[in-house]
Amino acid sequence: GQNIDQPTEMTATEGAIVQINCTYQTSGFNGLFWYQQHAGEAPTFLSYNVLDGLEEKGRFSSFLSRSKGYSYLLLKELQMKDSASYLCAPTDSWGKLQFGAGTQVVVTP
Amino acid sequence: SAVISQKPSRDICQRGTSLTIQCQVDSQVTMMFWYRQQPGQSLTLIATANQGSEATYESGFVIDKFPISRPNLTFSTLTVSNMSPEDSSIYLCSVEAQGRGGYTFGSGTRLTVV
Repeated sequence: GQNIDQPTEMTATEGAIVQINCTYQTSGFNGLFWYQQHAGEAPTFLSYNVLDGLEEKGRFSSFLSRSKGYSYLLLKELQMKDSASYLCAPTDSWGKLQFGAGTQVVVTP
Repeated sequence: SAVISQKPSRDICQRGTSLTIQCQVDSQVTMMFWYRQQPGQSLTLIATANQGSEATYESGFVIDKFPISRPNLTFSTLTVSNMSPEDSSIYLCSVEAQGRGGYTFGSGTRLTVV
């Protein structure tokens, strides 16, 4: 089965850094995705990790430790438009995404 | 990455009726996925649709309630049957993007059952 844990909500100010942690237990593992979802919209792809280590894409970075079943998404230089829900989604051995409950990030001025 | 056209974008339906949601992809894809997102919650996988075979349903979802068609490699439908207010959700289809571009989602169908 699947068990995915991430914080419910995080608040940070513009320009700050926020780290969203995700722990997971999956039956088979084939990589982990992070998605951003603004209210009322479909999720959009942010990052994908399949090997241990850090993947950096502009202001967003994602880290994976397969042995620990742990990942984090790092958001740097926060902007107001980054206020959204961030979804941790490991894939099983069949390539199916299983989504965590999401972390609502609130960016304040 | 693939572009998905999903419709309808929203609908309000009477309980006991059925609604069919369509997803059209601009390229051929092997697997299409259908998700449900209930109010304030994350996405739950309903089923995986492969062309030429029956869909594979996740625990808690059955074919009689959510029949799926996959007539070709660019199109799929999900029907929500005999609806009740508990079926009020956003339904999304998804396909695997090329390379490591993740999975692309349709824009979603916001369903309200009254």
